[in-house]
Amino acid sequence: GAGVSQSPSNKVTEKGKDVELRCDPISGHTALYWYRQSLGQGLEFLIYFQGNSAPDKSGLPSDRFSAERTGGSVSTLTIQRTQQEDSAVYLCASSLDSNNEQFFGPGTRLTVL
Amino acid sequence: TQLLEQSPQFLSIQEGENLTVYCNSSSVFSSLQWYRQEPGEGPVLLVTVVTGGEVKKLKRLTFQFGDARKDSSLHITAAQPGDTGLYLCAGEETGTYKYIFGTGTRLKVLA
Repeated sequence: GAGVSQSPSNKVTEKGKDVELRCDPISGHTALYWYRQSLGQGLEFLIYFQGNSAPDKSGLPSDRFSAERTGGSVSTLTIQRTQQEDSAVYLCASSLDSNNEQFFGPGTRLTVL
Repeated sequence: TQLLEQSPQFLSIQEGENLTVYCNSSSVFSSLQWYRQEPGEGPVLLVTVVTGGEVKKLKRLTFQFGDARKDSSLHITAAQPGDTGLYLCAGEETGTYKYIFGTGTRLKVLA
């Protein structure tokens, strides 16, 4: 497809389990962003990749969160030992470069029971 | 950390009415963007404003960037039910790649 895709679209997990969220950016886009959106709220910046590098990881809420990007394309966001407060929609966006329009995926809705 | 406050948080109006949404900060941004988000989807960019005092029009939507590049407004003329959604402003932190998103304004336009 031509847009940003994310999988899974919905994930329900039990507290304490690890989850992995995937983002497929638009082909050729070098910049990739992860955000978190709590119910009906604005977006909270988590991490930014330029190519495979993440210059700033300070937006990650805790050391249970990590992200990687391989081949300058697909990115995965991993949350270890999930907590109920991790429940949110996780959105990925990509852009041609860091100062260009961001195109968002549909998000992954994570529910931690 | 730079913050962006949007007001109002919620707005329910009748079709044909006009409305204005505000996005305010005490910080200066390199640029400011407005997005609209519909349920189950990611935000979609409406406009980017870069110059202080800049005004951009997109059909019935008028966007303005404050002279000091700290605030912005979105005005919708003759609102339609299709304008319903969550409106988000996002400021680009000066000298970085980071976009700080506002708290959002949820608009509902009744037919």
